[in-house]
Amino acid sequence: EPEVTQTPSHQVTQMGQEVILRCVPISNHLYFYWYRQILGQKVEFLVSFYNNEISEKSEIFDDQFSVERPDGSNFTLKIRSTKLEDSAMYFCASSGQGISNEKLFFGSGTQLSVL
Amino acid sequence: KQEVTQIPAALSVPEGENLVLNCSFTDSAIYNLQWFRQDPGKGLTSLLLIQSSQREQTSGRLNASLDKSSGRSTLYIAASQPGDSATYLCAARKEGNRKFTFGMGTQVRVKL
Repeated sequence: EPEVTQTPSHQVTQMGQEVILRCVPISNHLYFYWYRQILGQKVEFLVSFYNNEISEKSEIFDDQFSVERPDGSNFTLKIRSTKLEDSAMYFCASSGQGISNEKLFFGSGTQLSVL
Repeated sequence: KQEVTQIPAALSVPEGENLVLNCSFTDSAIYNLQWFRQDPGKGLTSLLLIQSSQREQTSGRLNASLDKSSGRSTLYIAASQPGDSATYLCAARKEGNRKFTFGMGTQVRVKL
């Protein structure tokens, strides 16, 4: 069965450093997302991406965050200058188009620890 | 602003018992609602998706109902098994956007 893959599974970084989280969505999907889950809290929406541009973003997704689809398969989330409160599990997800392809498929996540 | 609440927060049942998990949402203008399963330290697996025009969806031992007007969805798991132990999350998507709003989840433990 096709799946969303994320790398790395764990990332430890120092406050102020830049990190790039990588994702390979399901190949025929057209919508891509990043969500995050801080330990003990709800899964939160960060951003959705369609047709090579951001279609929606949350208040969390400020100027420190950016997304990119650098080629036909990868989808990345960059955090420019990490803060302690960015520590969370970051999930990439993708979905297809049309009413029968609305299900969100999630990757296994990248656990980001900012020290 | 959409708020999604799940009750109970945790549930422990003996094997074979049926499970009933509740989800409520404050804004009834939803486009669809998904139920997910999350295992510790893992990603989310979509179990069922109900469109706003539907009343229920079934997959094997799982059945999800949706009552838009009252802002509620219920996930039923028949004849629970130890392998059903996980956290179950409900997420609602509003009309006009693609963002899902999640609940905190119900942590389920099925005892042998």
